[in-house]
Amino acid sequence: AQSVSQHNHHVILSEAASLELGCNYSYGGTVNLFWYVQYPGQHLQLLLKYFSGDPLVKGIKGFEAEFIKSKFSFNLRKPSVQWSDTAEYFCAVNAYSGAGSYQLTFGKGTKLSVIP
Amino acid sequence: ETGVTQTPRHLVMGMTNKKSLKCEQHLGHNAMYWYKQSAKKPLELMFVYSLEERVENNSVPSRFSPECPNSSHLFLHLHTLQPEDSALYLCASSHGQGANTEAFFGQGTRLTVV
Repeated sequence: AQSVSQHNHHVILSEAASLELGCNYSYGGTVNLFWYVQYPGQHLQLLLKYFSGDPLVKGIKGFEAEFIKSKFSFNLRKPSVQWSDTAEYFCAVNAYSGAGSYQLTFGKGTKLSVIP
Repeated sequence: ETGVTQTPRHLVMGMTNKKSLKCEQHLGHNAMYWYKQSAKKPLELMFVYSLEERVENNSVPSRFSPECPNSSHLFLHLHTLQPEDSALYLCASSHGQGANTEAFFGQGTRLTVV
């Protein structure tokens, strides 16, 4: 079964600092990769996704992520964070789980706190 | 708004109670999911319904009982829960269940078992 590891539980940054959140997955086959964000008191929403093609994916609000197949990684980046980026970020992998179905597996999440 | 609505938003129940969580999606999707979100743990997939049929049950205790009467509605019936079942329960829906599936989530029901 696939698994997803997010290295940092809580990251604290000052505004304008650069962000990189790590995500590694374990699965030997083809995967589709996602980053979801959950702002305080709100629902999980999609930040960006990778299915195929250019491994550098751009999402909403200035976020991007790079898929490095050899490292089984899909790290999330933003050059300059804002206070409004304070949220919890979840990496997820969608992979074949057998019997014709796919399973979306999430990491534990990384809480980002941005200090004004 | 995501098009996925969950009610109630908050629920406190005793261990001997029976209650139900409701999820409704207005996106025309044909797959629906229940996830459990506990502190410091990954989102756990509990149940998957595709075309109103259960396709996956990840070894969830029988005190959780899902029901999918149609493609727009999903319920989670709860009975004789334990305090460790306290968590945020998230409903999601998607169009199909393939490789390129993107899930849309509701805001969740915060469940506290006392």
